[in-house]
Amino acid sequence: DAKTTQPTSMDCAEGRAANLPCNHSTISGNEYVYWYRQIHSQGPQYIIHGLKNNETNEMASLIITEDRKSSTLILPHATLRDTAVYYCIVPRGRRDSNYQLIWGAGTKLIIKP
Amino acid sequence: KAGVTQTPRYLIKTRGQQVTLSCSPISGHRSVSWYQQTPGQGLQFLFEYFSETQRNKGNFPGRFSGRQFSNSRSEMNVSTLELGDSALYLCASSLAPLETIQPQHFGDGTRLSIL
Repeated sequence: DAKTTQPTSMDCAEGRAANLPCNHSTISGNEYVYWYRQIHSQGPQYIIHGLKNNETNEMASLIITEDRKSSTLILPHATLRDTAVYYCIVPRGRRDSNYQLIWGAGTKLIIKP
Repeated sequence: KAGVTQTPRYLIKTRGQQVTLSCSPISGHRSVSWYQQTPGQGLQFLFEYFSETQRNKGNFPGRFSGRQFSNSRSEMNVSTLELGDSALYLCASSLAPLETIQPQHFGDGTRLSIL
């Protein structure tokens, strides 16, 4: 079963780029990697997802290694509001049966002024 | 566009009771998933409903059940409550089933405390 490994916590200075790594060495060839974040006392928020190519949207960039065993989420100009727990997620299970996204412990990112 | 709405926000029950939680998805979203979040286990998938049918299920006991109505609103029921059921219960909606890679939109959850 695919699972992910992330640092427990990271700090980043406000205005700098925050780079959050994730290891997903057991991911299957057709499984996407998803990133969500959870700000304190709120529900998780979708950030981005990708399969093998790098992806960018208005929130972040996702860099996936060529072997797909790891990825990095990049917040280009971190603000204090980006302080949250960031989850790197991969799916598991059979479609239309027990298919689900597996959430690990995530990385607590603290943006410092 | 209104987000995912969960009611109630807070609930206190005692052991042995049952509880029903409600989730109204974003308009047009037909998939609703339920999660349990605790400090020790993190976010764990309970089940997903799509078009009024349970589509995917996690590894929770039968005491946890759900249903979805024709307007896509969903309810989750927990019977014979145990102390370990104390958690934040999150609901997420998406346009299509989980396996279609659609982003999930979460509500802010119902905080359930069991005394």
